[in-house]
Amino acid sequence: DTGVSQNPRHKITKRGQNVTFRCDPISEHNRLYWYRQTLGQGPEFLTYFQNEAQLEKSRLLSDRFSAERPKGSFSTLEIQRTEQGDSAMYLCASSLTGAHEKLFFGSGTQLSVL
Amino acid sequence: GQNIDQPTEMTATEGAIVQINCTYQTSGFNGLFWYQQHAGEAPTFLSYNVLDGLEEKGRFSSFLSRSKGYSYLLLKELQMKDSASYLCAVRDKGAGAGSYQLTFGKGTKLSVIP
Repeated sequence: DTGVSQNPRHKITKRGQNVTFRCDPISEHNRLYWYRQTLGQGPEFLTYFQNEAQLEKSRLLSDRFSAERPKGSFSTLEIQRTEQGDSAMYLCASSLTGAHEKLFFGSGTQLSVL
Repeated sequence: GQNIDQPTEMTATEGAIVQINCTYQTSGFNGLFWYQQHAGEAPTFLSYNVLDGLEEKGRFSSFLSRSKGYSYLLLKELQMKDSASYLCAVRDKGAGAGSYQLTFGKGTKLSVIP
């Protein structure tokens, strides 16, 4: 168990470019979450998967954002036509279904849009 | 939706005790979590309360009152390494089936001074 792994750790891009982030959850975890965090704020929910099914998306998630978890293991988050307001830390978390499930977070991908 | 409030910043002395409060409003309460987050790092799980009362885990304790929509995190024998942000998060059953996302407060930045 190596924990939740995210890459890249840092991404700098120009406005209008597309970016893709990857998350590898803890292997036996069936739920995977994407959150976004800006400086001085708590993590903000974006979307979550149970196995390969995307069960919930935040209303804050614009159509420029898309997430996949094709085989129920790793997940990707793509942002198309990036904007400066997309600059944030993108956190992935995973959990195992249960009465007292808790989320384990990765170290995040810090996105800077210039 | 949810509204989660916690103080923005607190300062306490090494060796002392500090209490970080969190109030929340939610329509379908299904658990309250505390996470610790050091600057530039992932949030790490500290505690979970779903029933009223106090949960103790070493130097850290967490209390919940569901009728008051109130929780606190108590840190004893403060150490310099406890300087971090402490995030209160509420799990809501949500409007749809299978909604298990956490909603986070903005976090309380704790500074421990010698």
